[in-house]
Amino acid sequence: AQSVTQLGSHVSVSEGALVLLRCNYSSSVPPYLFWYVQYPNQGLQLLLKYTSAATLVKGINGFEAEFKKSETSFHLTKPSAHMSDAAEYFCAVSERGGYQKVTFGIGTKLQVIP
Amino acid sequence: NAGVMQNPRHLVRRRGQEARLRCSPMKGHSHVYWYRQLPEEGLKFMVYLQKENIIDESGMPKERFSAEFPKEGPSILRIQQVVRGDSAAYFCASSERGGPDTQYFGPGTRLTVL
Repeated sequence: AQSVTQLGSHVSVSEGALVLLRCNYSSSVPPYLFWYVQYPNQGLQLLLKYTSAATLVKGINGFEAEFKKSETSFHLTKPSAHMSDAAEYFCAVSERGGYQKVTFGIGTKLQVIP
Repeated sequence: NAGVMQNPRHLVRRRGQEARLRCSPMKGHSHVYWYRQLPEEGLKFMVYLQKENIIDESGMPKERFSAEFPKEGPSILRIQQVVRGDSAAYFCASSERGGPDTQYFGPGTRLTVL
């Protein structure tokens, strides 16, 4: 069975500060990992995904995430927060070998303080 | 290429009525997934369909809920005899293939049961 734990349901950062959103996963087989962003009253938009190529994955809007197998982590980072980054972020995992049943974390709401 | 379309965007029903949610996948996509998002919770997988086939409905409540994806037309998520606990945002996603292919999400239908 697969699962995702997002540490911190709410994170606040100052504009220009580092963004770090934490995600740990559990999977019985090598996983695919995703980060999605959701703006208010909208659907989810894919930020980036890890599918076994480079462990450091670069996504849209300056975000990146690093797959660390030893730590079962896939934390999302951005060097400098922008006001437009305020949204809810979901980490998700999917197991290889079958169809893509994706399990989502509960989400982290990012607040950016001017 | 239009994105995933969902309608209606907002739906209000009284207890005991039926709710019918529609999802038109992106052009060329034959895989559709439905998720439910309850307040302060992440997305929960409900059902995965390919054209005319239900592949995995392990996340669907056993009663009152059904889904279809006919050869022609949109995918339909149907909730019979709605109850207040059905109030949630329902998201549809589509992908071109199964496996690790990226899922593209629609804007969601927000169901309110009075």
